[in-house]
Order: sequence, then structure tokens, then C-alpha cells
Amino acid sequence: SAVISQKPSRDICQRGTSLTIQCQVDSQVTMMFWYRQQPGQSLTLIATANQGSEATYESGFVIDKFPISRPNLTFSTLTVSNMSPEDSSIYLCSVEAAGTQYFGPGTRLLVL
Amino acid sequence: GESVGLHLPTLSVQEGDNSIINCAYSNSASDYFIWYKQESGKGPQFIIDIRSNMDKRQGQRVTVLLNKTVKHLSLQIAATQPGDSAVYFCAERTNDYKLSFGAGTTVTVRA
Repeated sequence: SAVISQKPSRDICQRGTSLTIQCQVDSQVTMMFWYRQQPGQSLTLIATANQGSEATYESGFVIDKFPISRPNLTFSTLTVSNMSPEDSSIYLCSVEAAGTQYFGPGTRLLVL
Repeated sequence: GESVGLHLPTLSVQEGDNSIINCAYSNSASDYFIWYKQESGKGPQFIIDIRSNMDKRQGQRVTVLLNKTVKHLSLQIAATQPGDSAVYFCAERTNDYKLSFGAGTTVTVRA
């Protein structure tokens, strides 16, 4: 398995500002993913972030709104830009390891 | 579009009884399926997985059944305990490693 940590664990932000979420893995992994989970709902894939290449975004998500960095095999960041209350969600980092996917604890974001 | 869905949004079960959570999927190209447990305030926790070349897989107190004919997946929890109270998600994966999640079933264990 993989142990994944995220920072911050939660935050309250003002609309129009940006927040960068960090994801750290305890082992080197090629594939990392960012998901969003809106309150009381299921998980939706935002993008796939592989080291050495540009992130690939799912339909409905764009790089200007959710820029992603993947500087090495153990770390990634997701920025939520120009936030609005509709961005209030849990943001989850996930990695592909040992043939399956593991999730971090999530970052709980509230935008006022 | 193709999607993964769960038959029941909530399940209430007596402590000690067995639980069965069902999931329907529609993408015949999916070759790998995972069950996750998500407790309040936490990220999804891997429970058990199964590949499309299998129809049953057992873990500790959990069993996953896969019926490819009717595109149905189930998770059985034996002797359900209070700690099993959570939201359970099924997820399917195609060969691009992306997961598609079902809506989730909330399991509540009655003492």
C-alpha cells in the first residue's frame, strides 16, 4: 500500500482567492490523481498527474482553474484558483500503487 | 454515458448480521473493480478488489462477487460490527487507470 498525506487538512477561504493543496506519498509512484467530492456525493476525477508530463484534465475541469504541479515521483500540488462558494468540496489525492489506487485523507475546503 | 451505480443508497443492519451492498456497472470494457469504505471526515479506504477474470474474492470478513453477465458487483460483510458504519463506494477501472465511482451506500449498524 501507499501512505498519502495532504496539506492543509481543511481551510476556510474567501471568494476570489486561491488555495494550493499539497499531496505527499511515502513511495515513488508514477500515476497520481486528483478528485473532488462535493458534500454528500461521490468522487469525481479532476485530472491525472504523471511526473514528467502535463496533467490531463477530465471534461468540465480546466488548467486555468485547477493548475497542477508534479515535480517528482512523491509529490504533487493542486491549486484551486479564483474560488467561489461552488468550489466548497473535499479534494482528494490518489495514487496508483501495487496494482490498485489509494487515497489521501482529503482537504476540506469551505469558500465563503 | 456509461456509469457505475449502486442499487440502494442506505442500508441499516443489525450488529452481527451479514451485510450485502450491491453495485451495477455498465462499461463492459472495465477490467478491474474496487470497493472503498469512507468514514466520516476521512478519505476512501481500500477494502477489496477483483479483476474481471474472477467471479469471487474473499478477504477478512469481506467477499466481493462479480457477475459479468449482468454487470453486477456486490460486497458482502460478515458479522457486521459498529466500526463497519460508513459510506461504501464501488469503483470500476478501464485500461487507462481512471476510476469511475458509484453514488455510494451508507451503511448504519444498529446495536
